[in-house]
Amino acid sequence: DAKTTQPTSMDCAEGRAANLPCNHSTISGNEYVYWYRQIHSQGPQYIIHGLKNNETNEMASLIITEDRKSSTLILPHATLRDTAVYYCIASGSNDYKLSFGAGTTVTVRA
Amino acid sequence: GAVVSQHPSWVICKSGTSVKIECRSLDFQATTMFWYRQFPKQSLMLMATSNEGSKATYEQGVEKDKFLINHASLTLSTLTVTSAHPEDSSFYICSARPPGTAYGYTFGSGTRLTVV
Repeated sequence: DAKTTQPTSMDCAEGRAANLPCNHSTISGNEYVYWYRQIHSQGPQYIIHGLKNNETNEMASLIITEDRKSSTLILPHATLRDTAVYYCIASGSNDYKLSFGAGTTVTVRA
Repeated sequence: GAVVSQHPSWVICKSGTSVKIECRSLDFQATTMFWYRQFPKQSLMLMATSNEGSKATYEQGVEKDKFLINHASLTLSTLTVTSAHPEDSSFYICSARPPGTAYGYTFGSGTRLTVV
């Protein structure tokens, strides 16, 4: 898996958009960008993934730069329940193992 | 859909005993499952890849004789921690991926193992 770099922590205001950056400058052409989050003492939760195009689902939007060297996860309206550790992972698509880095600890404040 | 069930959620065992953790894919078949371990305030560390009908592949530094993995069916993988010691106390998590590229990997809710 390509190495990813994320900020250690971020604070966000409740109700505002949260933009979480991730650098993956060594990502290869067949590697997807995955985002997961882990709320304390739970298993990671899948958020979104993409290859080249921007993606949106009911949880978040994923913006991938044209050169694919970085991406941004956008939580459109952060709530207190979005407080978690967010992991950005670059990995292949077929039964490739996921390697977790340290992630970004996001704290949403009222 | 795409649910992975893990059991038990927590377990306490005595040193020297063995503990089995089950991971089931409830609504899809998984030829491959993954086992992770997470110590407090640390990230998830991949322990092994469980392959249905064949031997598991262990990551470097993980003792295969201590962490026995069996993937006997397309919906069940088990992790047995043998001769558990207090340093094996950790949060164990499994994952699997539904077929196709529309989904990411789905994780179980984790098992908190405490060895006393």
